Amino acid sequence: QKEVEQNSGPLSVPEGAIASLNCTYSDRVSQSFFWYRQYSGKSPELIMSIYSNGDKEDGRFTAQLNKASQYVSLLIRDSQPSDSATYLCAVNGAGGYNKLIFGAGTRLAVHP
Amino acid sequence: DADVTQTPRNRITKTGKRIMLECSQTKGHDRMYWYRQDPGLGLRLIYYSFDVKDINKGEISDGYSVSRQAQAKFSLSLESAIPNQTALYFCATSNGELSGNTIYFGEGSWLTVV
Repeated sequence: QKEVEQNSGPLSVPEGAIASLNCTYSDRVSQSFFWYRQYSGKSPELIMSIYSNGDKEDGRFTAQLNKASQYVSLLIRDSQPSDSATYLCAVNGAGGYNKLIFGAGTRLAVHP
Repeated sequence: DADVTQTPRNRITKTGKRIMLECSQTKGHDRMYWYRQDPGLGLRLIYYSFDVKDINKGEISDGYSVSRQAQAKFSLSLESAIPNQTALYFCATSNGELSGNTIYFGEGSWLTVV
């Protein structure tokens, strides 16, 4: 079992819809969870971090964490074509804080 | 100028050759990392360093070595490159504080081994 799993997609949504991206992780002691956006050929950029169970909202983005189910998700409201990218879920790994384990990413395509 | 700079940005090399990827940062962070990215596999950690005297293997260190020359510099070497090391390589840095846990990535180095 991979430590961090994501559906590779592509997830295709129409412009203006809500995109829902999901991630599960295997290490129960993980405390920090992150969503990165990566455009093709570019470096990942952090868009959300979440540390506690529940929802965290930032603009059009909402991260949801459920530690009991080992599940973290990202909702993108009012999706725009510029949101089309690969979204990487990352979880802090064993052996020390700030060592992230990444999922393979979900490719999101927002069509007009 | 970028806070995390990688050189070269693109490189084509032959099988068996030694290649070094260099990374320098101006963020003053103690922690530095090398990741590789392959299609469908996401980012995988090769090596990481929490300070100049601390070097640790990541999940895929075989075939690679690193050197932390200074707090701001962390280089990755492929002693004898092979085609399956063709990938996009990222250097990254972070600070050690418990709040604001953020990793900053360089722009990436495309390496092709032929």
